[in-house]
Amino acid sequence: AQTVTQSQPEMSVQEAETVTLSCTYDTSESDYYLFWYKQPPSRQMILVIRQEAYKQQNATENRFSVNFQKAAKSFSLKISDSQLGDAAMYFCAYPHTGANSKLTFGKGITLSVRP
Amino acid sequence: DAGVTQSPTHLIKTRGQQVTLRCSPKSGHDTVSWYQQALGQGPQFIFQYYEEEERQRGNFPDRFSGHQFPNYSSELNVNALLLGDSALYLCASSLGSPSWGYTFGSGTRLTVV
Repeated sequence: AQTVTQSQPEMSVQEAETVTLSCTYDTSESDYYLFWYKQPPSRQMILVIRQEAYKQQNATENRFSVNFQKAAKSFSLKISDSQLGDAAMYFCAYPHTGANSKLTFGKGITLSVRP
Repeated sequence: DAGVTQSPTHLIKTRGQQVTLRCSPKSGHDTVSWYQQALGQGPQFIFQYYEEEERQRGNFPDRFSGHQFPNYSSELNVNALLLGDSALYLCASSLGSPSWGYTFGSGTRLTVV
């Protein structure tokens, strides 16, 4: 069964600095996707970035980038130039494919940004 | 273009009661999934609806049931509420492959007293 593990419950970063959020996962599939979602106090899950496992190049979306290590089954999120609006819970998620298309989430990381 | 709309926003119920939560998917989306998120935890998959049928189900008791209507909107029903059912209930919609991610609503906060 696919599992997602986020072992850091909380992290803090100074505004304008860089922070890395860790995630590991387990799957027997060879081709899959991975997501990072952001959940601000408004509660709505927002897709931050997605990675396709067959692509060796790490995904980047503006200030957000990932470090995807397929062999190690590691998928970390790097936030550069942190802003106050980045404060939120961040979830790593594995989308199952085919008829079983649910999302498996990690427990999440609460990120606070210090001004 | 409206995203996913959930109602009500907040709800307080008494143990043993029944509750119905509603979800309107993003325009053009045909698949609706429901998740339960306990405080400080990641969302847990409840079930998914496609073409008005339950396509898959997570590890939740039969007290949790749902429905999808021809316009793709969906309802989540919970019977015989327990204190442990207190959580944020999230609805997510998608079209076809989930590889581009789901669009989530802002959820319904259910409190059982």
